[in-house]
Amino acid sequence: EAGVAQSPRYKIIEKRQSVAFWCNPISGHATLYWYQQILGQGPKLLIQFQNNGVVDDSQLPKDRFSAERLKGVDSTLKIQPAKLEDSAVYLCASSKEGAFLGYTFGSGTRLTVV
Amino acid sequence: GIQVEQSPPDLILQEGANSTLRCNFSDSVNNLQWFHQNPWGQLINLFYIPSGTKQNGRLSATTVATERYSLLYISSSQTTDSGVYFCAGIVDTGNQFYFGTGTSLTVIP
Repeated sequence: EAGVAQSPRYKIIEKRQSVAFWCNPISGHATLYWYQQILGQGPKLLIQFQNNGVVDDSQLPKDRFSAERLKGVDSTLKIQPAKLEDSAVYLCASSKEGAFLGYTFGSGTRLTVV
Repeated sequence: GIQVEQSPPDLILQEGANSTLRCNFSDSVNNLQWFHQNPWGQLINLFYIPSGTKQNGRLSATTVATERYSLLYISSSQTTDSGVYFCAGIVDTGNQFYFGTGTSLTVIP
């Protein structure tokens, strides 16, 4: 089966600019997650969707970050405006509803804010 | 959230050597998993191991849930084992993984 697809692979932007990342989960996976991984740290959850509804966005900096999953399939994560500390890898993951064995990560988008 | 400590933070091995990586959790977790992040950033699930011992080729893992720790054993290491190893767990009430800070492994030929 195809894995979790993410694009772009890399992005360099200046601070205060905006950026968007795209994720297409594994077909049939109801749950979609966005994680932020800062260099030298483990991934940290930003937001979790169940179908097209938000389950947990408690760690999403909502003043600048937004995410949507309009049709319950693919998702976009946006940062506006970006700050230097947003430089990180943004990982998307998906799983079947209520299941953890099929938890699969995409390759991530590496964002550099200069 | 819970705290996840991993040790050692960095490890350099000669090809063929064995190693043990450790992961301690501050609270009980379910669905403990070990991941390998390759140099290209891809996170690959190695083991789903909430308790007990599992083996997959040169890798094996043991979790002692009552004492809130897990171990990952790598035997006869190869250069392709290089990368960062993370353990992660999910607490009862959620679906998100809490990750450790990782062990960066470099295997030299």
